Amino acid sequence: ETGVTQTPRHLVMGMTNKKSLKCEQHLGHNAMYWYKQSAKKPLELMFVYSLEERVENNSVPSRFSPECPNSSHLFLHLHTLQPEDSALYLCASSQGHQIQGASRAGSEKLFFGSGTQLSVL
Amino acid sequence: KNEVEQSPQNLTAQEGEFITINCSYSVGISALHWLQQHPGGGIVSLFMLSSGKKKHGRLIATINIQEKHSSLHITASHPRDSAVYICAAASYGGSQGNLIFGKGTKLSVKP
Repeated sequence: ETGVTQTPRHLVMGMTNKKSLKCEQHLGHNAMYWYKQSAKKPLELMFVYSLEERVENNSVPSRFSPECPNSSHLFLHLHTLQPEDSALYLCASSQGHQIQGASRAGSEKLFFGSGTQLSVL
Repeated sequence: KNEVEQSPQNLTAQEGEFITINCSYSVGISALHWLQQHPGGGIVSLFMLSSGKKKHGRLIATINIQEKHSSLHITASHPRDSAVYICAAASYGGSQGNLIFGKGTKLSVKP
């Protein structure tokens, strides 16, 4: 148990559906992340929220829309997805203290959820 | 060529064996992460290090900054260690959470 909970664990959706992935962390962290893991490919960062503000959007298509209503919750809204969007979507959090200088970025331990395995038909 | 390379890609070991997984990177880093991913998909952070060596139970992680190389060692391996082990580099000057991930090493420990 990492303290980060993702729902649902599995999701099958058609290309015209709208669905949402949910992530909740009980660790008191200030930063939350969405990562995508496609088959046979390394993990890719999608979005970063720090203190509920989006600080990174890693060239992600607009059919993926994140929402962070408070520091404990993160959503990923999905609409008109493509079959190539089928992947494991992982949420993570970290303490997210104010970091002095870009050199310290990435120097925080990440706590991951169990992921949502998404299949787009 | 990926900026973070892991070897081997797949590794099968007998229970009790000493295991080494290697990670080489080509960028300047502020930290290197070792992660463990079980078949269910969830990922656990094992180590985060920027120099020297760290130990936790049967796991040891080392890093050589000059050679841009890190290793993860498992002593007295056990079937429950079977998982994918992922190395990830936090590049110097990179943004928060934007790690460069390796493709992972799939470890299978047979009883």
